[in-house]
Amino acid sequence: GIQVEQSPPDLILQEGANSTLRCNFSDSVNNLQWFHQNPWGQLINLFYIPSGTKQNGRLSATTVATERYSLLYISSSQTTDSGVYFCAGTTGYALNFGKGTSLLVTP
Amino acid sequence: DAGVIQSPRHEVTEMGQEVTLRCKPISGHDYLFWYRQTMMRGLELLIYFNNNVPIDDSGMPEDRFSAKMPNASFSTLKIQPSEPRDSAVYFCASSPWGALTEAFFGQGTRLTVV
Repeated sequence: GIQVEQSPPDLILQEGANSTLRCNFSDSVNNLQWFHQNPWGQLINLFYIPSGTKQNGRLSATTVATERYSLLYISSSQTTDSGVYFCAGTTGYALNFGKGTSLLVTP
Repeated sequence: DAGVIQSPRHEVTEMGQEVTLRCKPISGHDYLFWYRQTMMRGLELLIYFNNNVPIDDSGMPEDRFSAKMPNASFSTLKIQPSEPRDSAVYFCASSPWGALTEAFFGQGTRLTVV
């Protein structure tokens, strides 16, 4: 399967700050998703974004498929944004996950 | 829809015992995936099914692990005999058409083998 690299591995923000998380892929993908794993361990779907740009409230994502990367933007961060953010992609049928970015938003 | 439903949420068992994890995918989804999450290896695919047929089980760690999907609304992942290194969170996910569509995950089963 493809290799997925996420950066940074860890991030600490003060509430209200903005951040950008990056995901690089070793090959072109036909499926790319971003997930948030909350402190209870649940994997929450954020975006299904094999290409282009999408926005959902304070979060937005951009995937440049030809250059094999995707970005997740978090604006005006809140403490509830804490957790681990995963990107996952595939060239086949099953998603391959990166190691995640662990985000802590402090009050 | 209630989403992907997994049971039990937590399982504690003794080494050598058989463990069965259960999953009910979202109705109408043709693909079902089993993943395992550990600190060391992250989220890794174990096996996936298409229309109840196992397609790729290359991620199953060893013969102690087996998975079945007897019908479109139910799948099991069995470990026999269980070992402490099997301790992990096991996730089930489903999607309508595999890679071309969004996958949704269950809440996971946290397995502890003592």
